Amino acid sequence: EIVLTQSPATLSLSPGERATLSCRASQSVSNYLAWFQQKPGQAPRLLIYDASNRATGIPPRFSGSGSGTDFTLTISSLEPEDFAVYYCQQRSKWPWTFGQGTKVEIK
Amino acid sequence: ELQLVESGGGLVQPGRSLRLSCTASGFTFGDYALSWVRQAPGKGLDWVGFIRSKLYGGTTEYAASVKGRFIISRDDSKNIAHLQMNSLKTEDTAVYYCAREMFKGKVVITGVGNYMDVWGKGTTVTVSS
Repeated sequence: EIVLTQSPATLSLSPGERATLSCRASQSVSNYLAWFQQKPGQAPRLLIYDASNRATGIPPRFSGSGSGTDFTLTISSLEPEDFAVYYCQQRSKWPWTFGQGTKVEIK
Repeated sequence: ELQLVESGGGLVQPGRSLRLSCTASGFTFGDYALSWVRQAPGKGLDWVGFIRSKLYGGTTEYAASVKGRFIISRDDSKNIAHLQMNSLKTEDTAVYYCAREMFKGKVVITGVGNYMDVWGKGTTVTVSS
């Protein structure tokens, strides 16, 4: 199965700062990658699909890039509600797999 | 409003069975494929299985960890899907989410390039003696 490795595990930043999250795949997933946000006690929320397309209702401060094995989620200027855990997921080959998550916490 | 609501979770002994339900509203349920994803306490997300829409056979795919023990089904007339969990193990303890697959065209056949865009709030399953 395809292993997704996210880095860093934890990102400590202040509101207004830029966040850059990485997801690396053990083999090429083309552009079939999604990013999800999850807050404590809530379900995941789709942010980005096909590596760079924002899902419905997602603000433009969220952007995704990459293809093949290396992907990035960028939050251009952190808002208080953006502090959460972020997961990448590949939709290239069964079984669908998720990264282990990156926690974005308030510094 | 697009909505999925899971139900049926609870405390169950190892080796026993439990059936979860996922009830949809706000969209034409039968047009979409559906996935189940779980999250063990304090852990990350873990894909469990998937059921295609009836247009594409209503067939299923499963993670290796649950294949042969879990069965996903759907009743489009009632806007409901089920996750039948048999021979439960302590490691099946988790919050179980159902999620709609975003695209309803031919991508449903392979699932490649389809994504989970609507999620329920989850139901908790605890497997313990």
